[in-house]
Amino acid sequence: DVKVTQSSRYLVKRTGEKVFLECVQDMDHENMFWYRQDPGLGLRLIYFSYDVKMKEKGDIPEGYSVSREKKERFSLILESASTNQTSMYLCASRFGSGSQETQYFGPGTRLLVL
Amino acid sequence: AQSVAQPEDQVNVAEGNPLTVKCTYSVSGNPYLFWYVQYPNRGLQFLLKYITGDNLVKGSYGFEAEFNKSQTSFHLKKPSALVSDSALYFCAVRDFKAAGNKLTFGGGTRVLVKP
Repeated sequence: DVKVTQSSRYLVKRTGEKVFLECVQDMDHENMFWYRQDPGLGLRLIYFSYDVKMKEKGDIPEGYSVSREKKERFSLILESASTNQTSMYLCASRFGSGSQETQYFGPGTRLLVL
Repeated sequence: AQSVAQPEDQVNVAEGNPLTVKCTYSVSGNPYLFWYVQYPNRGLQFLLKYITGDNLVKGSYGFEAEFNKSQTSFHLKKPSALVSDSALYFCAVRDFKAAGNKLTFGGGTRVLVKP
């Protein structure tokens, strides 16, 4: 079974703190993604990575950065957390291409910024 | 840009009755369409996908979806709903014109199955 894990299920941080969200996948996937989920808005892509040290901005990258030093690990960084970054954060990795492709998600990290 | 729409925020259904969750899409070219389910406080779980071939796609937990090109729809169905099907359901389309061939998600439909 594909496994995507996230370092924390719940986090509470204060405004201005630097926040690290970690994601690890165990299936040697090239592609990894960070989304945030907000009620009524579905999932919105923050950043993605298609290889080690490679990254691309998604739809809402402002206020975030990412790091991918190893293939299995993709980190999301909030340089200076703000209250509008309170959300559910979901990591995903993607296997295959064409008809075999499927994207697998981690359990999510619910972040509260006070 | 590719997009999907889920017109219903919530669907209520009695246990044992048929369940339908609606999704319409707007894409150029042939769509890759997906359904995911999210149980409370959990990540998204893959249910099924349409890439090509038979318009009726069967997936996990007894769900199926019908691809209808003329109506640009990809509705999720289950013949007999269970209380345990209560969850948040997302439709998504692969956007091959976007960087990373990203998935674009609908806003989600909450399903409540009452005993």
